[in-house]
Amino acid sequence: QVQLVESGGGVVQPGTSLRLSCTASGFTFSEYGMYWVRQAPGKGLEWVAVIWYDGSSKYFADSVKGRFIISRDNSKNTLFLQMNTLRAEDTAVYYCARDFKANHGDPYNWFDPWGQGTLVIVSS
Amino acid sequence: EIVMTQSPATLSVSPGERATLSCRASQSISNNLAWYRQKPGQAPRLLMYGASTRATGIPARFSGSGSGTEFTLTISSLQSEDFAVYYCQQYHDWPLTFGGGTKVEIK
Repeated sequence: QVQLVESGGGVVQPGTSLRLSCTASGFTFSEYGMYWVRQAPGKGLEWVAVIWYDGSSKYFADSVKGRFIISRDNSKNTLFLQMNTLRAEDTAVYYCARDFKANHGDPYNWFDPWGQGTLVIVSS
Repeated sequence: EIVMTQSPATLSVSPGERATLSCRASQSISNNLAWYRQKPGQAPRLLMYGASTRATGIPARFSGSGSGTEFTLTISSLQSEDFAVYYCQQYHDWPLTFGGGTKVEIK
């Protein structure tokens, strides 16, 4: 079955970096756009970034633009989020999510399914 | 940025009763709206897309309606697993944005 497993979360100090990974299985990873969505403790959902199926295009939320980098390795079925210059407000559970359908064009931009999430805490 | 506003913030409903959740967009998004359910301690799950199309495996007690700026998610007869938080999300334009959520609790 389709599975997304995030890893790499932890406790880090403000101003430092962290790299999250999302390992996919059960589907042809290279045919899907992929996303990162985060949720601060007790708060709602915030879309963070998207990457096209082939890595050709990427978009970011303004809150992370210039600090976060999304990438993927289709040979290893893995999605990444490089988070630099972390701030306290980046503290959240980070979910990776798959695009709705395989698509060799623009993504559908709704999320199905989601991984279980990995917690990032930015604190001194 | 398109702002999504959900109401009410909390909805108290008895099991077996109907629940009606609202989502409003700050500008027209056509029918480019998805709904998700998030149970405590779990990741969100897709319920609806295209404002009114149920995702795979979603039971018929869930229905969605609306277009433009006003949308509704209706749960016809609440089951125990439906007591959760519900989010709407627009995918009409970047950035993709979510509503603040509606918590459906047991009355």
